Amino acid sequence: AQTVTQSQPEMSVQEAETVTLSCTYDTSESDYYLFWYKQPPSRQMILVIRQEAYKQQNATENRFSVNFQKAAKSFSLKISDSQLGDAAMYFCAVWNGNQFYFGTGTSLTVIP
Amino acid sequence: EPEVTQTPSHQVTQMGQEVILRCVPISNHLYFYWYRQILGQKVEFLVSFYNNEISEKSEIFDDQFSVERPDGSNFTLKIRSTKLEDSAMYFCASKNPDNDEQYFGPGTRLTVT
Repeated sequence: AQTVTQSQPEMSVQEAETVTLSCTYDTSESDYYLFWYKQPPSRQMILVIRQEAYKQQNATENRFSVNFQKAAKSFSLKISDSQLGDAAMYFCAVWNGNQFYFGTGTSLTVIP
Repeated sequence: EPEVTQTPSHQVTQMGQEVILRCVPISNHLYFYWYRQILGQKVEFLVSFYNNEISEKSEIFDDQFSVERPDGSNFTLKIRSTKLEDSAMYFCASKNPDNDEQYFGPGTRLTVT
């Protein structure tokens, strides 16, 4: 069974500061991918960053980076220099080659 | 940049009625998916579709649900007899053949009254 756990239902961050959203997962697959998706109030799911499980190097995408700890099955998202437009629900997801398994989401508030 | 589109953006229907949700995936993508998100909850996988047949489906995707690719562009989700608990946001997604990146559509909000 695949499970994805996001233990922080809500987080807040001051504008221009850094915030880390946590995610742990459990999978029996040896080859999988990890994703963070952002869901703003418009409700569309937008890809933030992806990480191939076979790669040791942490993915980065501009202000977004991940801390991928494969042995611990942990995949946290760091947002640096937070902006007001970063306010959204963030979902962590595991792709096992057939389907996504999503976490329950973390609602991020950015305080001006 | 190519994108997945979905129509309608909001559908209101009465319990017991049939609804068809439409999606136009990105043209060179080969794998298509439907997900749903009940308000305030996580996104749940419904079904994946490849080569004109269902490749995988979840326990949510029971006999009331069906998918179809009636022509070369549209990908539809049909709910035969809607129930109140079918009220949710339904997302279509298609997968880039070069990697495992899925592109999500903007979603259709289904309200069953």
